[in-house]
Amino acid sequence: EVQLLESGGGLVQPGGSLRLSCAASGITFSSYAMSWVRQAPGKGLEWVSGISDTGSRTYYADSVKGRFTISRDNSKNTLYLQMNSLRAEDTAVYYCAKLGVLGTLGWFDPWGQGTLVTVSS
Amino acid sequence: DIVMTQSPDSLAVSLGERATINCKSSQTVLYSSNNKNYLAWYQQKPGQPPKLLIYWASTRESGVPDRFSGSGSGTDFTLTISSLQAEDVAVYYCQQYYNTGYTFGQGTKLEIK
Repeated sequence: EVQLLESGGGLVQPGGSLRLSCAASGITFSSYAMSWVRQAPGKGLEWVSGISDTGSRTYYADSVKGRFTISRDNSKNTLYLQMNSLRAEDTAVYYCAKLGVLGTLGWFDPWGQGTLVTVSS
Repeated sequence: DIVMTQSPDSLAVSLGERATINCKSSQTVLYSSNNKNYLAWYQQKPGQPPKLLIYWASTRESGVPDRFSGSGSGTDFTLTISSLQAEDVAVYYCQQYYNTGYTFGQGTKLEIK
């Protein structure tokens, strides 16, 4: 069974930094592209960032470009999201998700349970 | 970016009746090279992560009840629940994966009438 377990969320002040992790099990992690998707309280889903299977290609939503950095360590089966210069509008549950097919164009399946990031003074 | 627009924003349907949710993309999500529509549907229940229902616009994920079906092509898509069950109360999202912008619709909240 594929499992994705996010960690690293919490309360941070505006302008601060946080690093999220997503530990994967039950899959050949290095074969799949991965993404981070967030959901602000009571709002819809917003794709944040994606990374190819090898980590050579990364993609970002305009809302986080220049502030967030996605990376992965295939030897540890772990995905990361380094978030800098955090703003109140970054407050959300952050989900990691595996692409459902090989390559970078695909649906998200499965999703982790999410980790809550709250940006507030 | 490809903008995904769902309608309606909310929907109330009686148990056993049909529910229909629409999704429109601002540009085609049909790749002519393979004739596939790069569109997925998800179901999200309160306090849970989204769950994949449909991919390639009409392919049902393994384990998803056959009352769920997807249709459409190009820019216009539909998710249909043929006979609404109580456990189908959720928010439903469409998503394009035609490019790595991966945009979602705003969601449709489905309730029991």
